[in-house]
Amino acid sequence: GNSVTQMEGPVTLSEEAFLTINCTYTATGYPSLFWYVQYPGEGLQLLLKATKADDKGSNKGFEATYRKETTSFHLEKGSVQVSDSAVYFCALILRMGGGATNKLIFGTGTLLAVQP
Amino acid sequence: DAGVIQSPRHEVTEMGQEVTLRCKPISGHNSLFWYRQTMMRGLELLIYFNNNVPIDDSGMPEDRFSAKMPNASFSTLKIQPSEPRDSAVYFCASGEGTANTEAFFGQGTRLTVV
Repeated sequence: GNSVTQMEGPVTLSEEAFLTINCTYTATGYPSLFWYVQYPGEGLQLLLKATKADDKGSNKGFEATYRKETTSFHLEKGSVQVSDSAVYFCALILRMGGGATNKLIFGTGTLLAVQP
Repeated sequence: DAGVIQSPRHEVTEMGQEVTLRCKPISGHNSLFWYRQTMMRGLELLIYFNNNVPIDDSGMPEDRFSAKMPNASFSTLKIQPSEPRDSAVYFCASGEGTANTEAFFGQGTRLTVV
């Protein structure tokens, strides 16, 4: 079936460390891929997206590249800050046929804790 | 635009009571999603609508759950009767309904059933 698999957390890093959160997907066809972030007590916010193979999404120092050959969309940041502490969700939108809407499927989320 | 608006933000109710959660999507969006988030099961898609029509309700856990979208600017998720295991944060999200555009989330409703 169609799914998203993320690395389990929590991921604990010191400030200015390099971050990688792995995400792989299984989908029929070619989905669009997203990373969302959820800060404590808030809803999910879009962090970045990529709509086709080899696209790189970037925002706030975070990057992710849509790799069709490895069905991956790993999130990276060169130097994390305490304010980046949050839960990060990888997601895909599966394009449906016949004019139907598109289903947004999430991974389980990865908690990132950055220590000063 | 004020974004996706959910109400109430917090709801505490007794087991067996009816609970209604409300959502106002972003104007112009034609897709609406209801999600449930718990520590145990993460973020689950309950149901989604396109142009006010339910497209996929396979995530609705039981007949106690029902969702409606009477018009493009309003949706409800109802639980009747509520049970303690329904305690969770319920999110509503809306989107333009294309594969290239993201969904925008509300702040969520934290439901506690005692």
